[in-house]
Amino acid sequence: SAVISQKPSRDICQRGTSLTIQCQVDSQVTMMFWYRQQPGQSLTLIATANQGSEATYESGFVIDKFPISRPNLTFSTLTVSNMSPEDSSIYLCSVAGRSISNGYTFGSGTRLTVV
Amino acid sequence: GENVEQHPSTLSVQEGDSAVIKCTYSDSASNYFPWYKQELGKRPQLIIDIRSNVGEKKDQRIAVTLNKTAKHFSLHITETQPEDSAVYFCAASINQGAQKLVFGQGTRLTINP
Repeated sequence: SAVISQKPSRDICQRGTSLTIQCQVDSQVTMMFWYRQQPGQSLTLIATANQGSEATYESGFVIDKFPISRPNLTFSTLTVSNMSPEDSSIYLCSVAGRSISNGYTFGSGTRLTVV
Repeated sequence: GENVEQHPSTLSVQEGDSAVIKCTYSDSASNYFPWYKQELGKRPQLIIDIRSNVGEKKDQRIAVTLNKTAKHFSLHITETQPEDSAVYFCAASINQGAQKLVFGQGTRLTINP
């Protein structure tokens, strides 16, 4: 399965600022997924990032708040913009195998605290 | 859209006993059902999965069963050990262009020595 390097692992940010999270995969993958996991909660899909096209956002998430880049098949970034304390959460990137039935692999996560 | 319900939210069992976690899903087109284990402060790890053309799958002490008619699937852990303590998530695939996963709410499993 793919190996994902995600950074930063954690950050404490001031409200109103932005943070960009990076994920690097050790192999080429078609789709990358960005999830949010609020404290003690499940994983909620933010968006799907395809190389060469705009990301597809899930209900409740918008591009202005969570812009995503996918410049190539091994890299993606998620920016959390104009942060508020409600954005404090763990953000995880994920990739699927050659097909979804090869399973998802997750990055190590970014623990974000907004003060 | 797909909705995945997971029960119970917490489960406490004695070491050596079995644990069962159940999930139901709503989209009959879902065809892939993984289970993830997440230890405190760590990323979710795939522990077992099942596809819709199979009714049961086993891997050592872990097994998953799937009832497509009833749209539910379950995780069974036998001979539980303290290291099985974690949060477990079920998920179901949705097929809308990109195949994506919808996760259940999670079950916090505690194994008591």
